[in-house]
Amino acid sequence: KNEVEQSPQNLTAQEGEFITINCSYSVGISALHWLQQHPGGGIVSLFMLSSGKKKHGRLIATINIQEKHSSLHITASHPRDSAVYICAVTDKLIFGTGTRLQVFP
Amino acid sequence: DSGVTQTPKHLITATGQRVTLRCSPRSGDLSVYWYQQSLDQGLQFLIQYYNGEERAKGNILERFSAQQFPDLHSELNLSSLELGDSALYFCASSVPGYGYTFGSGTRLTVV
Repeated sequence: KNEVEQSPQNLTAQEGEFITINCSYSVGISALHWLQQHPGGGIVSLFMLSSGKKKHGRLIATINIQEKHSSLHITASHPRDSAVYICAVTDKLIFGTGTRLQVFP
Repeated sequence: DSGVTQTPKHLITATGQRVTLRCSPRSGDLSVYWYQQSLDQGLQFLIQYYNGEERAKGNILERFSAQQFPDLHSELNLSSLELGDSALYFCASSVPGYGYTFGSGTRLTVV
């Protein structure tokens, strides 16, 4: 069993839809990271969370330390949000397998 | 530009060869991490250096080695290359308590 599990693996949405990606982990963590990897391969760090909730533009990330669960929400999704979203935990970045999101106009 | 510079961007080499990948961290970042992303394995942590010293090791093969120099740039050396070593290799840098900044990666193809 992977130490970091993401769901769903693939997600298709219409523009404007509300998106939720989930991440569950089984190890003790100091922080959880959400990353975005675009088709060209580049990786961008979206959030680092150790508790509660963070918001940046249309992106919201939450974490429940007791339940070892985090969610990434995208409001009013747009085709440019199409990417692979990856959660990662611990200082060494143990990665989830990623969620491939495609948003269609 | 993320501030983390990786060279080269692409590398094609033959099996059995040795290559060196280079990473310059963002100014002020003391930690450098190396990761491998292959099609069937996803992102895997290889090794971390902090201010010139090895801090942690992940799934790094014995054929691979790394070091961080006094100017904080890091090199990942891959030797006796096999077809299965073909992958994207990323480095990232960080400041404790803050997020990670990734380089754009080196795409290694072993033929």
